[in-house]
Parts: sequence; structure tokens; C-alpha cells
Amino acid sequence: GAGVSQSPSNKVTEKGKDVELRCDPISGHTALYWYRQSLGQGLEFLIYFQGNSAPDKSGLPSDRFSAERTGGSVSTLTIQRTQQEDSAVYLCASSRYSNQPQHFGDGTRLSIL
Amino acid sequence: GQNIDQPTEMTATEGAIVQINCTYQTSGFNGLFWYQQHAGEAPTFLSYNVLDGLEEKGRFSSFLSRSKGYSYLLLKELQMKDSASYLCAVRDLRNYGGATNKLIFGTGTLLAVQP
Repeated sequence: GAGVSQSPSNKVTEKGKDVELRCDPISGHTALYWYRQSLGQGLEFLIYFQGNSAPDKSGLPSDRFSAERTGGSVSTLTIQRTQQEDSAVYLCASSRYSNQPQHFGDGTRLSIL
Repeated sequence: GQNIDQPTEMTATEGAIVQINCTYQTSGFNGLFWYQQHAGEAPTFLSYNVLDGLEEKGRFSSFLSRSKGYSYLLLKELQMKDSASYLCAVRDLRNYGGATNKLIFGTGTLLAVQP
């Protein structure tokens, strides 16, 4: 497809389980971002990847959160030992270069029971 | 610190003009973006301002005053499909120890267009 693809679109899991969220950016886009959107809240920055540079992890809320980007393309966001407050929509975005508009995927709606 | 403010909700009439304001206080400012987000969908890019002034794109225009920390999005000839959340976001290039390029978002303005 032409847009940013995220999977799964919905994920329901029990508290304490680990989850992995996947993002396929637009082909040729060098920059990749993860955000999360909680009910009634604005989008919250989590992490930013640019090419082979060290990522900006300053938005990750705790050490239970980690992300990687393999081969400069696909990215995986991992949340370990999930908590109920992790429930949110996790959005991935990409841009061709860092100074260009970010294009968002449809997100993964994560619900922690 | 970083702070972006925009009204929570607005209502307007089909065919009319509406202005959605956004004020910001950030360091490392390098541009302001407006996104549209329909319920349950991804945000879609509308406009980008990095210099002062007005950027026009069809029915949508966006204005920026960096000295005042102020922007607005102007929507003309409103249509029912314009009912959505409008997100103001500031690009932050502060060096945290490496380059960064994150967007800092406001909570969004939910616009309801009525017949």
C-alpha cells in the first residue's frame, strides 16, 4: 500500500502480558515516529528514528517500553508487563526526510484488561 | 516547558467560515503543523508554517506569528465532512544529545459543522 501500515489494528490483552506493535512506513521514508493517543488527550511523542542515527527515546514513559527499527524500514514497539494505563491508540508516522510532514498510520488500539 | 493551547470544541454552520486558534510556548520551535483527524482515523496533514504569515491551500488557510506564539487555521465554505478534530502541533528540534524532530501536539479542537 501507499500509506503507513500498522498491525494489529486492535489488541486486547491481560495486564502483565507483553505486546508487540508493528509499523511499516511509507517506502523511501527515512524518518519514523511513534506516538500514543489516550482518550481525551493529545498525541504524545514516544520515539523517533532517523536513518542510522541514534533514536530519540526521550518520550518513552518507562523502561517497560522499547522500540527498534530493523534495516531502516519496519519498526516494532514493545511494551512489557502491560498496565491498564497503557491502554491507548498507538500511532506510527513516517516522513521522507526529517523536515517534511509526517504521515500517520491508522494506529493500533490497545486495551489492557 | 512546552504548552500548546487550543479550544476544546467549536460549532459552526455549513457554508460559513471558522477560525481555530492555537497558542504555544515551546523552546526549539521549528515550524507549526495543522492536522485533521476524523473519529477513529489517522491524522492527516493539512498545513505547515515555519515563517510568519498566511499559507493558503484551497478552502484551508493557516497563519503564524512566531513573536506572539500564535497560529490559526481558517476553514472557508464549511462542509459537513469538515466535522473532525483539528490538531495543532509544534515541531521541536531541541538537541537532547542527538538530533530530534518530534511533534508536540495540542489536545485538538473538535469541530462540529451543523446544517
